[in-house]
Amino acid sequence: DQQVKQNSPSLSVQEGRISILNCDYTNSMFDYFLWYKKYPAEGPTFLISISSIKDKNEDGRFTVFLNKSAKHLSLHIVPSQPGDSAVYFCAARIQGAQKLVFGQGTRLTINP
Amino acid sequence: DTEVTQTPKHLVMGMTNKKSLKCEQHMGHRAMYWYKQKAKKPPELMFVYSYEKLSINESVPSRFSPECPNSSLLNLHLHALQPEDSALYLCASSQERTSYGYTFGSGTRLTVV
Repeated sequence: DQQVKQNSPSLSVQEGRISILNCDYTNSMFDYFLWYKKYPAEGPTFLISISSIKDKNEDGRFTVFLNKSAKHLSLHIVPSQPGDSAVYFCAARIQGAQKLVFGQGTRLTINP
Repeated sequence: DTEVTQTPKHLVMGMTNKKSLKCEQHMGHRAMYWYKQKAKKPPELMFVYSYEKLSINESVPSRFSPECPNSSLLNLHLHALQPEDSALYLCASSQERTSYGYTFGSGTRLTVV
């Protein structure tokens, strides 16, 4: 039972354009949603998060949008830079629990 | 120090071997985690330690044995593993058990032959 889904295994974007990564979830008990970025041979690095009571959170070039009715969140990166090329994981925390549930990941490639 | 350090980075072991993975953090975090990640799959939680006590065991086989000797260290003892246990093992820590801002280590790439 995949509670957090990233349906696009890969995404290719031109440098300077917007990258949009998507994530869907099924569990209504998630209270925080997070995005992690992972380079090869490194552990995931926390990027940005959003509480379930918000619909938008922005941090520099990164914005996360949450649509609770659709159980969908997205990460926007503007403008995209070559250093953004990595695997991006969507994750969600069950309310009151210590556990993060991760999506399958999306490999983002930024082309010069 | 804002890092989680895992050793070794790579490990090859036979099915009859006993080995240990080590994880260390000096951020004062009181929750530490072991995750397992297979190729092209998301990280999956194995164990959670909160204030040096095991608080979550996600039905992990007993051939994996976690240990938390003190608030900075987390070990994962391995014995009689199977080839399907080959994976990237990630350690993470967070300030409190309900924090979501995990800091992950770089992982140990384990191959069981």
